[in-house]
Amino acid sequence: AQSVTQPDIHITVSEGASLELRCNYSYGATPYLFWYVQSPGQGLQLLLKYFSGDTLVQGIKGFEAEFKRSQSSFNLRKPSVHWSDAAEYFCAVGANTGGFKTIFGAGTRLFVKA
Amino acid sequence: EAGVTQFPSHSVIEKGQTVTLRCDPISGHDNLYWYRRVMGKEIKFLLHFVKESKQDESGMPNNRFLAERTGGTYSTLKVQPAELEDSGVYFCASSPRDRASGANVLTFGAGSRLTVL
Repeated sequence: AQSVTQPDIHITVSEGASLELRCNYSYGATPYLFWYVQSPGQGLQLLLKYFSGDTLVQGIKGFEAEFKRSQSSFNLRKPSVHWSDAAEYFCAVGANTGGFKTIFGAGTRLFVKA
Repeated sequence: EAGVTQFPSHSVIEKGQTVTLRCDPISGHDNLYWYRRVMGKEIKFLLHFVKESKQDESGMPNNRFLAERTGGTYSTLKVQPAELEDSGVYFCASSPRDRASGANVLTFGAGSRLTVL
């Protein structure tokens, strides 16, 4: 069965510092991978996705993620964090198992300090 | 384009009462999903509609939960009778049918927070 692990429940970074959020997945075949962000009072918003091809994918708001098959990882990065990036981030894996299902990790809450 | 709309945004009920959550997906999206997040835990899949048909309801916790999508447009999720452990945020998401990639990229609503006292 598919599963997603986000080892960090919360992370605090200084504004302007770089960010890396970790994500490991479990799935037997080539997965569809996603990162979503949830700001307070809002729904989840898609940051980026990986389906195939170039393993480094660019997303919105200056985020990128790299798919590493050998490590079953899909870590999210940003070179310079802004205070508005404070939110909760969810990694997800999707699979066609009869119908398409997306499985989410527990989320990582990002705090940004001035 | 209007997004995914969920109602109510917050509901507080007592144990044993009934609550109905509603989701209006993006117009034309065949796929509609319900998810639930209990505080601090992962967002868990509940079920998936394709138009008006239940494609996958393997995540529904028990028979106190009933989801419908009459006519393939909006969907309702009824909890009857509600228990304390049903508290959480219920998210709805919709997606068009993507034949090219085979993947469904979800657009989420803001969620309905359910508190059962």
